[in-house]
Formats: sequence, structure tokens, C-alpha cells
Amino acid sequence: GESVGLHLPTLSVQEGDNSIINCAYSNSASDYFIWYKQESGKGPQFIIDIRSNMDKRQGQRVTVLLNKTVKHLSLQIAATQPGDSAVYFCAEKRNNAGNMLTFGGGTRLMVKP
Amino acid sequence: KAGVTQTPRYLIKTRGQQVTLSCSPISGHRSVSWYQQTPGQGLQFLFEYFSETQRNKGNFPGRFSGRQFSNSRSEMNVSTLELGDSALYLCASSLTPGTLNTEAFFGQGTRLTVV
Repeated sequence: GESVGLHLPTLSVQEGDNSIINCAYSNSASDYFIWYKQESGKGPQFIIDIRSNMDKRQGQRVTVLLNKTVKHLSLQIAATQPGDSAVYFCAEKRNNAGNMLTFGGGTRLMVKP
Repeated sequence: KAGVTQTPRYLIKTRGQQVTLSCSPISGHRSVSWYQQTPGQGLQFLFEYFSETQRNKGNFPGRFSGRQFSNSRSEMNVSTLELGDSALYLCASSLTPGTLNTEAFFGQGTRLTVV
């Protein structure tokens, strides 16, 4: 499949454990944050989003936490499954900038059965 | 409904040549954005088109250009190819650029190799 990053930080977890993927962003003017999942050979796929006026948002098995004080975003995946193995990217978006996304470097999640 | 379609999936070109990549957005979507993905630089924004007009542009040289047609399909062109242009080029389709939480749907990308 496609290689999306030869030197990405890697998080290796056991199936069933919880995963936490972190992202530091630089632009304090960012209004909106999104987590994407990219599997080999595919484009990024939306997982969950959060507006800058929130600090936590939950989805199905996923939670995003936003700490604007230290410009930090995290993605928590509960009961990680082999199908969660992928590269995860955080992205920022600003108001009045259309659909332009600024992506973080990505983290490779490997789930051991 | 059909997703974002990018053609071709794979392309090999020689240095100095030019290349055109195509993107058909999801039916009804009018905003198309392009990204370059490389192992070294990650995912970088190239440009966004809406209603046949370029709305935003990333920090790429003028060799990278694009356009959008009246049916919202978009093409991007890279002229005078360099080895460093080898990358996965991704297209993202959105309804409009107007709201912050407008979701972007990505295609599978075109893998360009410059030799």
C-alpha cells in the first residue's frame, strides 16, 4: 500500500487497551480542529472535530480533548481494535480561511492482536 | 453516493515534463482543495477552488496551478517537474467554504513519481 510517512512517531498498543494520540498546534488563531485517520492506500478520513470554544467532545469510542492554554490536542480511542491501525493526523482550520486545513505531522498507531 | 474520484491513481513522469491531475468531487459539492503529501513534509495545502475561483493558496511555487470547471471538477497542473515533486496528491471535496465545520472528504490520491 501507500507509504504516508517513513519516520512517523509510532504508538504501539495491545488490542483492547485505550490509545492516546497527541498533537501540538502552533496557531492560537485556529478556530476548529479535526482528527483524521489515514489507512494505507486511502485518503484521510474524518474521525471527530472540536471547536475552539470547547475543551472536550466525545464520539463513538473516541474522545478529543483541547487545551488551548498549551496548544495541545489529543485523541483518545477506547478499546482499541486492529481496524484502528492507521496514521492519525490532527488538522486546524481558521474562520475566514475557507476549507484550508493545516495538518500536523501524524502518528502511526499499531494495534497488536 | 459516489465519493471523490481522482485520476489517474499512479503516474510516472520525467524531470522537466508537466503533469495534469484530475479530481471529481462528490455530487453537489462545490469546493475542491488540493494537498501534497510527502514523507518529509507531511500533508501541505496547495489551493482551494470554489465556483471556479481560487479562494486560498498555499506556499508553493508558481509551477503548481489549478482550475475548476463549471461542474465543480478540478484539475491541478505541475509544470517543469522536479524530483522533489514526487508525492501523493490528494483532493478534498466539501459542500461550500462558508462554515467552519464543513466536512472535507478526501479522494484516494494520485501517486506521482518523478524520475
